[in-house]
Amino acid sequence: NAGVTQTPKFRILKIGQSMTLQCTQDMNHNYMYWYRQDPGMGLKLIYYSVGAGITDKGEVPNGYNVSRSTTEDFPLRLELAAPSQTSVYFCASSYGGQDPRAWPQYFGPGTRLLVL
Amino acid sequence: AQSVAQPEDQVNVAEGNPLTVKCTYSVSGNPYLFWYVQYPNRGLQFLLKYITGDNLVKGSYGFEAEFNKSQTSFHLKKPSALVSDSALYFCAVRDPMYSGGGADGLTFGKGTHLIIQP
Repeated sequence: NAGVTQTPKFRILKIGQSMTLQCTQDMNHNYMYWYRQDPGMGLKLIYYSVGAGITDKGEVPNGYNVSRSTTEDFPLRLELAAPSQTSVYFCASSYGGQDPRAWPQYFGPGTRLLVL
Repeated sequence: AQSVAQPEDQVNVAEGNPLTVKCTYSVSGNPYLFWYVQYPNRGLQFLLKYITGDNLVKGSYGFEAEFNKSQTSFHLKKPSALVSDSALYFCAVRDPMYSGGGADGLTFGKGTHLIIQP
């Protein structure tokens, strides 16, 4: 049982390049999330999904896109990388159920992205 | 809207002593509260949560947290600190009644570095 996996672990991008951060979970969780973590700022929600085919914006969605074609996968797309997107990105998942907000989220190991 | 404050950037405790990491919250209704721990270059690990019921909740690795509604606090505690407890700790909140954007996500505090000295 791998939990939440993310690839790549580290990436350097040039300004204007694009890339996709991959996230996969094997816990059959309905809910999946993308956060970014900046030093001293905690984690900020970028996008989330409550099930396959359904996505919604979080607190800081600008410059990112997501899709959810399967329960397991929730890729995050950066179209035109900017230095402000230098951060550590975490994917998480949680069980839905009757009261989905009562369930904890389980996090992947993160992707460190540097935009130069 | 919901928010979380962790007033201490860093907490230093001697090994064997009790530790407390502070957290206060702001929500419009009754909160769902969580504590997570992050070790260097790792993802966040869930420690414990308060949803309803007993104000003292117990979690992983001997940690516990006390929910205090009148003080809007959810402090993390451990009776006897270990050097291996040194890490970054995050408090997080959800407002079960909030229906705005990103409502199903967690709102995190900025984190508190816990340093346990041998």
